[in-house]
Amino acid sequence: QVQLVESGGGVVQPGRSLRLSCAASGFTFSNYGMHWVRQAPGKGLEWVAVISYDGSDKYYADSVKGRFTISRDISKSTLYLQMNSLRAEDTAIYFCAKDHYGDHSAPIDLWGQGTLVTVSS
Amino acid sequence: SYVLTQPPSVSVAPGQTARITCGGNNIGSQSVHWYQQKPGQAPVLVVYDDSVRPSGIPERFSGSTSGNTATLTISRVEAGDEADYFCQVWDASSDHWVFGGGTKLTVL
Repeated sequence: QVQLVESGGGVVQPGRSLRLSCAASGFTFSNYGMHWVRQAPGKGLEWVAVISYDGSDKYYADSVKGRFTISRDISKSTLYLQMNSLRAEDTAIYFCAKDHYGDHSAPIDLWGQGTLVTVSS
Repeated sequence: SYVLTQPPSVSVAPGQTARITCGGNNIGSQSVHWYQQKPGQAPVLVVYDDSVRPSGIPERFSGSTSGNTATLTISRVEAGDEADYFCQVWDASSDHWVFGGGTKLTVL
C-alpha cells in the first residue's frame, strides 16, 4: 500500500550526527517532491526541508540550513536527512512527507509515522 | 519571514460550526493548506489550495480566504473532530514552507 516508513531516530549527543531514512512504497517516488517536517514534544509543526522530484532543487528552514542535508535515492525509493552538529533544540519527531502534485507550493498528502530524535548528553 | 497566526484554541458544542482562522499578510493571494492532527498521529490534509477537499474528507470541512485571513470551517462538529489544526503556505519570497502555530479544537 501507499506508505512512508521512517527510520534512524534515536538518542544522540549534542554536536554529533545522525542520518534519517524514509522508505517510500505504493507510488512512483520519482514523480513527487518530498519533505521533512518536525514536531518538538508538545509543540507545533516545523518544516525542515524539501527536495524536488528529481533532486535538483533543495530548500531548508533557516534553523537547519548549513547543518542538515536532504537527499533522495530514486533507485531505492528512499529519502534521507543527514543531520550534523545536532543541538538540543533539534529534539523532535521527524516526519517524512510526500507532496500532492510535485510543486514546491503543493500540500502534503502523505505522511510517515515519524521517528523520534533526542539530542541530549 | 512570513508569519501565520492562529488562535491557540477554539471550543464548540457538538452540532455547531467551528471556524479556525489563519492570519497572514495578504494571505488571500497565497494557496493555503490545512492539516488535522490527532494526538499521537501524523497530520492529515483536510483542505488544500484554499478550499479543495481531498478525497475521503467529509463535506463538513471547507476553506476560504479573504484579504489577510484564511478560515477553516467545520460544520456540524462531531466529537471525532477534536484535534489540532494547522494552516500552511509556501512563501515564494523566501523559498520556505510556513506553518501556523496550530489551533486546538475542543468539542464541548
